[in-house]
Amino acid sequence: DTEVTQTPKHLVMGMTNKKSLKCEQHMGHRAMYWYKQKAKKPPELMFVYSYEKLSINESVPSRFSPECPNSSLLNLHLHALQPEDSALYLCASSQIGRNEQFFGPGTRLTVL
Amino acid sequence: EDKVVQSPLSLVVHEGDTVTLNCSYEVTNFRSLLWYKQEKKAPTFLFMLTSSGIEKKSGRLSSILDKKELFSILNITATQTGDSAIYLCAAFSLTQGGSEKLVFGKGTKLTVNP
Repeated sequence: DTEVTQTPKHLVMGMTNKKSLKCEQHMGHRAMYWYKQKAKKPPELMFVYSYEKLSINESVPSRFSPECPNSSLLNLHLHALQPEDSALYLCASSQIGRNEQFFGPGTRLTVL
Repeated sequence: EDKVVQSPLSLVVHEGDTVTLNCSYEVTNFRSLLWYKQEKKAPTFLFMLTSSGIEKKSGRLSSILDKKELFSILNITATQTGDSAIYLCAAFSLTQGGSEKLVFGKGTKLTVNP
């Protein structure tokens, strides 16, 4: 299995909803990442997990809450989002010490 | 502040043309430079470059890194309409805390017309 999967593919939520994005990989990668990508912009790093521990938080608002329950799974919990949070949310993984990151297909999030 | 700059931002060519995409970088604790191709969804990995002057090649695509001048180029020969995409350059750095971080450029949007 050489891919990163993300669910759901699309998500529409209201500003008072609570939802979660899920990312999974079975490549044995111990580094996992969340990125946010707005239209016509490059991906922006949000969080990095190394060995299931949060190692980088790029000053992301607390309405985004990451979780890494095990070495294959990465979640992003969403609560009280704003319309400007609408974007493509990408998950990536890599081996520790190897720089190639492999991206999942993304979740297209729309906040109404 | 870490920075990756790509040029041109947009490029329109005809099938069969050869194109060169540029990427310059300034990051602390530079480890490697990566090229990705992004069509409608997630970026797909093309190349990783860590050593200066060694060309990486895959079919019609090739890339080289100059660590002294802090830049990389991506060449595509005999372009095809399927090469139309956004090409992202990213520099990999090691933060002071020991974490690994990828800094992306804004991308070059390549359009190949038949």
